[in-house]
Amino acid sequence: SQQGEEDPQALSIQEGENATMNCSYKTSINNLQWYRQNSGRGLVHLILIRSNEREKHSGRLRVTLDTSKKSSSLLITASRAADTASYFCATAGLTGGGNKLTFGTGTQLKVEL
Amino acid sequence: DTAVSQTPKYLVTQMGNDKSIKCEQNLGHDTMYWYKQDSKKFLKIMFSYNNKELIINETVPNRFSPKSPDKAHLNLHINSLELGDSAVYFCASSQDDKRLAGDSDTQYFGPGTRLTVL
Repeated sequence: SQQGEEDPQALSIQEGENATMNCSYKTSINNLQWYRQNSGRGLVHLILIRSNEREKHSGRLRVTLDTSKKSSSLLITASRAADTASYFCATAGLTGGGNKLTFGTGTQLKVEL
Repeated sequence: DTAVSQTPKYLVTQMGNDKSIKCEQNLGHDTMYWYKQDSKKFLKIMFSYNNKELIINETVPNRFSPKSPDKAHLNLHINSLELGDSAVYFCASSQDDKRLAGDSDTQYFGPGTRLTVL
């Protein structure tokens, strides 16, 4: 079953603005990850946040995790046209076989010049 | 250097045919995966292999059969292709090292194979 729901489905901003994407999930997790997918390409891992962490930074990316609300957010600061892509959250469950990731529905971000 | 590669990149075929997609990773990872991404970009896991052993097998028609000749390769064979099989199929790999306490869940994706069934 689908684990993550992302909000908004689509987001259009001007270059230099910040972009915030939200992800909600349903079951307990081991960690939550964010991936980027450029049009026609594979997914690229951006950042991983463990269930015992609340916030993590990587360059212009800031991820928060609220396990009590089962939600996460991805903030991209000072956006660039090259950030235009789809962004997916993915949860790694506490149980189940292997390193199973369950992906959200994705947010399509468009950064305009 | 390509970390996770897939062939072919595009595959157009008729309904009822049998086709294979190949995947190779040169990252030295122990675990490999197949995902299906539909036209709405929803990505769903199909299979996962760890050191040639099947460990995840989601509800996938048995027309789909994964094969892992060694831990660097995971191929996907599809029999009797149907229109609904049209999608982009992604291969991925990860290092299954429990000492990393969750960081081993980071997955590296191939470029995808766009399958079109006519």
